[in-house]
Amino acid sequence: KAGVTQTPRYLIKTRGQQVTLSCSPISGHRSVSWYQQTPGQGLQFLFEYFSETQRNKGNFPGRFSGRQFSNSRSEMNVSTLELGDSALYLCASSPSSYEQYFGPGTRLTVT
Amino acid sequence: KNEVEQSPQNLTAQEGEFITINCSYSVGISALHWLQQHPGGGIVSLFMLSSGKKKHGRLIATINIQEKHSSLHITASHPRDSAVYICAAPDRGGGSQGNLIFGKGTKLSVKP
Repeated sequence: KAGVTQTPRYLIKTRGQQVTLSCSPISGHRSVSWYQQTPGQGLQFLFEYFSETQRNKGNFPGRFSGRQFSNSRSEMNVSTLELGDSALYLCASSPSSYEQYFGPGTRLTVT
Repeated sequence: KNEVEQSPQNLTAQEGEFITINCSYSVGISALHWLQQHPGGGIVSLFMLSSGKKKHGRLIATINIQEKHSSLHITASHPRDSAVYICAAPDRGGGSQGNLIFGKGTKLSVKP
């Protein structure tokens, strides 16, 4: 089975712009979670989608949003980018059990 | 809200040494994850365990549900084991597994 894929792998944006990141889960997995990793805060949960519905949301401002499509692929969007949004964004897919399988991440740099 | 603590934060070992990394959490959980991250790399899930012990090659993970504690052991350590090791637990005990709380990680450096 192919693993979790994320695109793009690297991205450079300017403050004030918006960005969309994509995650394709492992075939058959219906849950996709997103995480942000920064040197200062470590790994933090952003949100989780299951069958196109947001099931959980972390403590992030409304500039961070996401969605999931009927094929379980997920996108996350960050609007009005700030320097502090520079981070590694990881998604993880899961069957409806306890395992989580992580993608390689998208490294976003905001200048 | 679950709190996940890891120790030590940094660990330097000589090749061949036995290594132990500890993780404790505050809320009873159904499963705990151990993850590995190499410098500049993505995250690899090493173990997901809910009880007892799991072994994969030179890596062994144990969990004590009653004591809310887990350990990751590396036998016969090798320089390629140098990485950050992170434990993670669900935020709400037995609830959705999609919301993980992560430890701050243990940075392991194995010298040849």
